[in-house]
Amino acid sequence: QSALTQPASVSGSPGQSITISCTGTSSDVGSYNLVSWYQQHPGKAPKLMIYEGSKRPSGVSNRFSGSKSGNTASLTISGLQAEDEADYYCCSYAGSSTFNVFGTGTKVTVL
Amino acid sequence: EVQLVESGGVVVQPGGSLRLSCAASGFTFDDYTMHWVRQAPGKGLEWVSLISWDGGSTYYADSVKGRFTISRDNSKNSLYLQMNSLRTEDTALYYCAKDINPWSDILTGYQNWGQGTLVTVSS
Repeated sequence: QSALTQPASVSGSPGQSITISCTGTSSDVGSYNLVSWYQQHPGKAPKLMIYEGSKRPSGVSNRFSGSKSGNTASLTISGLQAEDEADYYCCSYAGSSTFNVFGTGTKVTVL
Repeated sequence: EVQLVESGGVVVQPGGSLRLSCAASGFTFDDYTMHWVRQAPGKGLEWVSLISWDGGSTYYADSVKGRFTISRDNSKNSLYLQMNSLRTEDTALYYCAKDINPWSDILTGYQNWGQGTLVTVSS
């Protein structure tokens, strides 16, 4: 099972909105509404930002939102802040033989 | 407060074996499927294995199938990963992780992570 494809880097200025894409196939992202997104700061464990495609866990800012179209899921960060600078990973359920596949990761830089 | 604390990571030679542990607290351990996820130095995240809440079902990534064994002891609130025939490409920080939803092998989202334990496979 190949990793989901994410852009290596995305950047934006404070206050702007950015979108990170996560492209899979009809066997994973396209088949299930089970994409989750994680934020990881250097030297830290990942943090869940979005689950089931568009739901936010308690405590996660509403500046983070998730969506999906076909085989591509997206994470949008609005009102970009310096603290949003981190690596972001998507993850999708991929069926009962493969189970879970992560994306390649995206480094977000706040200019 | 949910806590997951991994241990057991060391430097081991190729072909060697190692057992990782994850001590869980702050939630009803035997309600949740548990996972191991790893991250090679400077690389992305990779799902490794999962075990159902009752230990009755286990699944593995192709990269570790036949070499790694996941297990749990619900009486001790502990998760384990027995790693055999280790390869240099198994070098990584190994995290245990818990889903946001109980009683499901189908991943919804990893709500809780440990701090990770580092496994280095090198001669």
